[in-house]
Amino acid sequence: NAGVTQTPKFRVLKTGQSMTLLCAQDMNHEYMYWYRQDPGMGLRLIHYSVGEGTTAKGEVPDGYNVSRLKKQNFLLGLESAAPSQTSVYFCASSYATSGVTNEQFFGPGTRLTVL
Amino acid sequence: AQTVTQSQPEMSVQEAETVTLSCTYDTSENNYYLFWYKQPPSRQMILVIRQEAYKQQNATENRFSVNFQKAAKSFSLKISDSQLGDTAMYFCAFTINTGTASKLTFGTGTRLQVTL
Repeated sequence: NAGVTQTPKFRVLKTGQSMTLLCAQDMNHEYMYWYRQDPGMGLRLIHYSVGEGTTAKGEVPDGYNVSRLKKQNFLLGLESAAPSQTSVYFCASSYATSGVTNEQFFGPGTRLTVL
Repeated sequence: AQTVTQSQPEMSVQEAETVTLSCTYDTSENNYYLFWYKQPPSRQMILVIRQEAYKQQNATENRFSVNFQKAAKSFSLKISDSQLGDTAMYFCAFTINTGTASKLTFGTGTRLQVTL
């Protein structure tokens, strides 16, 4: 199993450009998450999904949109990139089964720079 | 809102020694989970250990153990027999058990350097 994969690994954008980050998981997890990590801070939740076709806002959702058209994929979109969105983005997934202690499995991250 | 505080930005330990990383959290909830994640230079987030709040017994995973003090809202990580491969950022994280998606709240991390 590949686990959680993210595409691309690195990207440089100019202010105002758009892009989509792809997250894929092969563990049949119901829940998926997008986080951002900034220097000196822990990871912060952007958006999450509890199932195919459903998404919800996290702690820092502004400037981002997400979609979960297939259970295994969770897309994070930036419609008009801003320098404040320069960050490392992590995708994660987890089971929904009760009794499982909510462990999240993380992807390797995408380093995004907005000039 | 839940908060997680890691008051030690950086720590250093010699190989084979023991080190303890501190974490405190704030919540009014009673049913929650606590985690320690390791982030080596590769950037990959790796789960080190987890603790269910309803369990009084401290979790242990090989060289890693926690000291969970629920009343004090403290969750420290002890690494015994430190190894060079333990060099990494360590994040304490918290989530409420809501029966749905576990939205993690992270601390700001402790950078651990293991030296010869």
